[in-house]
Amino acid sequence: DVKVTQSSRYLVKRTGEKVFLECVQDMDHENMFWYRQDPGLGLRLIYFSYDVKMKEKGDIPEGYSVSREKKERFSLILESASTNQTSMYLCASSLVVWGQDPGNTIYFGEGSWLTVV
Amino acid sequence: GDSVTQMEGPVTLSEEAFLTINCTYTATGYPSLFWYVQYPGEGLQLLLKATKADDKGSNKGFEATYRKETTSFHLEKGSVQVSDSAVYFCALKTSYDKVIFGPGTSLSVIP
Repeated sequence: DVKVTQSSRYLVKRTGEKVFLECVQDMDHENMFWYRQDPGLGLRLIYFSYDVKMKEKGDIPEGYSVSREKKERFSLILESASTNQTSMYLCASSLVVWGQDPGNTIYFGEGSWLTVV
Repeated sequence: GDSVTQMEGPVTLSEEAFLTINCTYTATGYPSLFWYVQYPGEGLQLLLKATKADDKGSNKGFEATYRKETTSFHLEKGSVQVSDSAVYFCALKTSYDKVIFGPGTSLSVIP
């Protein structure tokens, strides 16, 4: 089974702190994603990465950055945490299929609950 | 742009009741459609998917049929159980790997 592991399930940080959320996948997937989940808004894509050192902005990248130095690891960075970044953060990964088969599955981690006070 | 609309709920049903969660989409091209489920305190798990028109996805008693003419992918189950209580997300994916999710529908099943 594919395993996507998010290192921190629950975090409480202060406004202005730099926050790192780590994600590791064990299936050699090329694609990795960071979403945030908020009630009534569903999941919104923050950043994604197609390969090592490559990244693309999603729908809500402001206030976030990412790092992908190794294929299995994708980190989300909040440069200066703010209270409106209190949310559930979900990491995901998927395999690249030649021709970009739209049916290939995206696998999710269990989520990281971040509270910024 | 591409989008997914689904009933937000919360939906509350008695055990063994019939479940329908409506999902409609707007997309250019030919998307694949998915239902994901999120149990309390967990991440999202793929429940079922359909990759082309008239395909039916099914899993754990849940079914959904890809209806291109009505741009819909409604989730159904004939007899729900307490263990089905969760949040259900409809999603679409085009030929690039970007997935667009609906807002989620919270389901509570009471004994």
